[in-house]
Amino acid sequence: DTEVTQTPKHLVMGMTNKKSLKCEQHMGHRAMYWYKQKAKKPPELMFVYSYEKLSINESVPSRFSPECPNSSLLNLHLHALQPEDSALYLCASSQVRGLAGDETQYFGPGTRLLVL
Amino acid sequence: GIQVEQSPPDLILQEGANSTLRCNFSDSVNNLQWFHQNPWGQLINLFYIPSGTKQNGRLSATTVATERYSLLYISSSQTTDSGVYFCAVEEDSNYQLIWGAGTKLIIKP
Repeated sequence: DTEVTQTPKHLVMGMTNKKSLKCEQHMGHRAMYWYKQKAKKPPELMFVYSYEKLSINESVPSRFSPECPNSSLLNLHLHALQPEDSALYLCASSQVRGLAGDETQYFGPGTRLLVL
Repeated sequence: GIQVEQSPPDLILQEGANSTLRCNFSDSVNNLQWFHQNPWGQLINLFYIPSGTKQNGRLSATTVATERYSLLYISSSQTTDSGVYFCAVEEDSNYQLIWGAGTKLIIKP
């Protein structure tokens, strides 16, 4: 099973709302990622979790708050977003680095977010 | 930091044609992946290929690590091959993929 699932598929929220994006994988991967992708651009890394601990935060504003409750789940909590945060949010997972084997990142289908 | 360049930026072909997409990178890498992003936004892994050659059906890829480039071959194109093809590399096993700008492929019926 090489599937990463994400919910919801689409989300419309106002600037005062609080919402959460969810990601799940059952490949036994211990590294999980959040990316943001704007139209006609490649994905941009936001956060990386390794062994359920935050290991990379690419200077993301605090209105985005990641959480990794266990080795299969990754959440992204959203609060007081701006219209420019509208984008496709992608989750990915992979082997942790330093282990033998390939380092493929597997991506979920994404959540298309619109902030009004 | 490492630079990744993809060419061509756009490619329009008739169904049944063959194509070659190129990815050049500026330093040695230990991870190189090719992805296809379909019109609905799904990023699909095509190949993990830091070196060597792989084939999967109508698709194949070759990475010549010593010369810092990778090629993706698509044979007998189908309309479902349309989308954006990304090459992404990882330099130091640091989780951070560096992405090319992508090649937008349109296959006309």
